[in-house]
Amino acid sequence: DVKVTQSSRYLVKRTGEKVFLECVQDMDHENMFWYRQDPGLGLRLIYFSYDVKMKEKGDIPEGYSVSREKKERFSLILESASTNQTSMYLCASSLPYPNEQFFGPGTRLTVL
Amino acid sequence: QKEVEQNSGPLSVPEGAIASLNCTYSDRGSQSFFWYRQYSGKSPELIMSIYSNGDKEDGRFTAQLNKASQYVSLLIRDSQPSDSATYLCALGGLTGGGNKLTFGTGTQLKVEL
Repeated sequence: DVKVTQSSRYLVKRTGEKVFLECVQDMDHENMFWYRQDPGLGLRLIYFSYDVKMKEKGDIPEGYSVSREKKERFSLILESASTNQTSMYLCASSLPYPNEQFFGPGTRLTVL
Repeated sequence: QKEVEQNSGPLSVPEGAIASLNCTYSDRGSQSFFWYRQYSGKSPELIMSIYSNGDKEDGRFTAQLNKASQYVSLLIRDSQPSDSATYLCALGGLTGGGNKLTFGTGTQLKVEL
């Protein structure tokens, strides 16, 4: 079974802090994705990566950056957290084909 | 027009009935179609994948794809209270989309005793 893990289930940070969210997958998947999910807005893609050290912007990259130094690990960085970044953050991974995405348990981030 | 449209619901069905969830899409280039189940406060879980026209059955779940009419459906037979969740439709292979998936906003299903 594919396993995707995320570093924290719940996180509370203060405005202006730098926040690191980490995602690790154990199935040697090339593709990794970061989404945020908000009520009424659905899943929105922040960044994705097709390979180590490669990254591409998704639909809402502003205020975020990512790092992929190893194939199994994909980190999301909030450079200076703001209250409008309070959300559920979901990491997913997939093979190039079939491109079924498997999600981690999510991190519920609250920025005060 | 949104790329992926789902009725937000809630869709209420009695226990033991068939629940029918529908999803329409606009991009004829879509090549892969997925249904995810998401319980409240949890992450999405892949339950069905379908790639060609027709029906695909897995236990109590049947996915139906009609590319000509641009819709994909999920039928849940013998619905159980544990099926109460939000069901997300997702499409892959959209024009210019690469390996990304495009998700609908989900249909909330409530199975009532």
